[in-house]
Amino acid sequence: DSGVTQTPKHLITATGQRVTLRCSPRSGDLSVYWYQQSLDQGLQFLIQYYNGEERAKGNILERFSAQQFPDLHSELNLSSLELGDSALYFCASSPPGTPYNEQFFGPGTRLTVL
Amino acid sequence: AQSVTQLDSQVPVFEEAPVELRCNYSSSVSVYLFWYVQYPNQGLQLLLKYLSGSTLVKGINGFEAEFNKSQTSFHLRKPSVHISDTAEYFCAVSGGSGTYKYIFGTGTRLKVLA
Repeated sequence: DSGVTQTPKHLITATGQRVTLRCSPRSGDLSVYWYQQSLDQGLQFLIQYYNGEERAKGNILERFSAQQFPDLHSELNLSSLELGDSALYFCASSPPGTPYNEQFFGPGTRLTVL
Repeated sequence: AQSVTQLDSQVPVFEEAPVELRCNYSSSVSVYLFWYVQYPNQGLQLLLKYLSGSTLVKGINGFEAEFNKSQTSFHLRKPSVHISDTAEYFCAVSGGSGTYKYIFGTGTRLKVLA
């Protein structure tokens, strides 16, 4: 158990809908990262937050957005869902003050868009 | 820009045989290198990391990796594999650009045969 929690574990929805994925980082970790894992794209970095502020953006679609709240949990919002958005979404967290940035991954949320 | 190449998408090996999973990286700055393992239907677990210092890094479950700067490689090895090592293995690079996000390779599926 990495200490990072993600809810829900599974999510099944229809095209055009909107969903929210939630992540709670390890206690004391200030950084949260979101990744998407799909069969055709592999593991792709989406976005990073550090202590409530957006720090870096990767291959995140405009239909997707995220935020990190004062209690440091983070939410990833996916809207106007398409079949191709079906994937495993991982959240990871890392502690402050470590330049090498070891990341601890949650168990993931499996999103299925029908 | 940084990139990671895992040359082998699948590696079958018999139980108790040695294995090497290859990883090559590209970066114009100093990097930190990681190997993660993903068991079926689970999140990613850190196997080992190279930050600096000794180029031979030992990790969990009997795995080790060697950082070779001249060949820009970070190959993962295990002298004797077990059935339980069957999993997907990801090499990742981090460093520079101030964000320390991970760039993952496409993964290598290790299948240990009885």
